Amino acid sequence: AQKVTQAQTEISVVEKEDVTLDCVYETRDTTYYLFWYKQPPSGELVFLIRRNSFDEQNEISGRYSWNFQKSTSSFNFTITASQVVDSAVYFCALSEAYNFNKFYFGSGTKLNVKP
Amino acid sequence: GAVVSQHPSRVICKSGTSVKIECRSLDFQATTMFWYRQFPKQSLMLMATSNEGSKATYEQGVEKDKFLINHASLTLSTLTVTSAHPEDSSFYICSARDYVLGGDRVLNEQFFGPGTRLTVL
Repeated sequence: AQKVTQAQTEISVVEKEDVTLDCVYETRDTTYYLFWYKQPPSGELVFLIRRNSFDEQNEISGRYSWNFQKSTSSFNFTITASQVVDSAVYFCALSEAYNFNKFYFGSGTKLNVKP
Repeated sequence: GAVVSQHPSRVICKSGTSVKIECRSLDFQATTMFWYRQFPKQSLMLMATSNEGSKATYEQGVEKDKFLINHASLTLSTLTVTSAHPEDSSFYICSARDYVLGGDRVLNEQFFGPGTRLTVL
């Protein structure tokens, strides 16, 4: 069965600190997609990244970076030099590849960035 | 990217009334749409898969008669919460599936709506 675990319920950091949000997943599929979404207080899901299971290259986008480790079934997300605007709930999700019938969301990590 | 809208964005109703939420794909046709429910400070849980022209497929534990889903066209799915009660108060999010190019492959991808916050008094 598919499962996504985000063990960190809530993290608080001071602005400009780096922070890593952990995500561990379980799946029997050999082909799958992993996602990160940001959910600000407004509620709308903001897409951050999609990574397929064949591509283990780490990705960097501005202050955001993602570390995909298939060996440990992890897909961690790091924000460098955090800002107050980064405060939100972040969800990691897993879905079947090429047939996005279901998204399996983690429980989310609430990030509080204090000035 | 593809745009999905929801209407209304927020609704307050009295207990016992029915509420309809619309999910529209604005610039693409979606044969499949999905409905999620999110309780405060919790994750999103898939409620049902809505296929155009056929009956919705509900996840285990979701009452079909309580949450009526109609996917009458390729751009519109509706979720009706019948005889709503305070425990139905939640954030409802829909998503729609579209095809995108991913390298040399055509992939299915889900695009999420902005959500509807339902409060039942």
